[in-house]
Amino acid sequence: NAGVTQTPKFQVLKTGQSMTLQCAQDMNHNSMYWYRQDPGMGLRLIYYSASEGTTDKGEVPNGYNVSRLNKREFSLRLESAAPSQTSVYFCASSLQGYGYTFGSGTRLTVV
Amino acid sequence: QKEVEQDPGPLSVPEGAIVSLNCTYSNSAFQYFMWYRQYSRKGPELLMYTYSSGNKEDGRFTAQVDKSSKYISLFIRDSQPSDSATYLCAMSAGNRGSTLGRLYFGRGTQLTVWP
Repeated sequence: NAGVTQTPKFQVLKTGQSMTLQCAQDMNHNSMYWYRQDPGMGLRLIYYSASEGTTDKGEVPNGYNVSRLNKREFSLRLESAAPSQTSVYFCASSLQGYGYTFGSGTRLTVV
Repeated sequence: QKEVEQDPGPLSVPEGAIVSLNCTYSNSAFQYFMWYRQYSRKGPELLMYTYSSGNKEDGRFTAQVDKSSKYISLFIRDSQPSDSATYLCAMSAGNRGSTLGRLYFGRGTQLTVWP
């Protein structure tokens, strides 16, 4: 019963470097989401995928791209990391909003 | 104005106290209401789930929804130190409209229960 698995758990990047955060769910959920969480800001939606083959921007999409590789996997890419992207990133999945299941998060530091 | 407003606290109470956490919202289309609990350095986990107005009880936890006032609450009875966490409210319009069930979160209230 893995649920939602995120990799890596921790990452330090230099400004300008790129990386991809991976997310996979094994619950046959249709919808998947990427959030960032910063102190005092709560959870902010970056991108979401309501179903396989579709992706949409959330509140804070600038500087990020996503790929819904298949029903299980939804990746988040930072093309050129900036210090403002230092955050904790959470992936979540759901049966179209009827309760999200979250991963354990990726702590990203951009120096 | 954010879709969902939640006082971030922090809230600090003694063990055994009754805790009241609240959120207000502006979108009358919301009909699914949830509370998530997030321990430090962990992902949020679903704690309570309510559809439309009314109350739902689960052990020491009670969730209340008042759609006429656009106000939801979570009560914790006989609070324990293990309840110390951040509590986030969340809500959704379900499959209505174009949101396809997307959740809208409050900022979370940080709760500490001291022994």
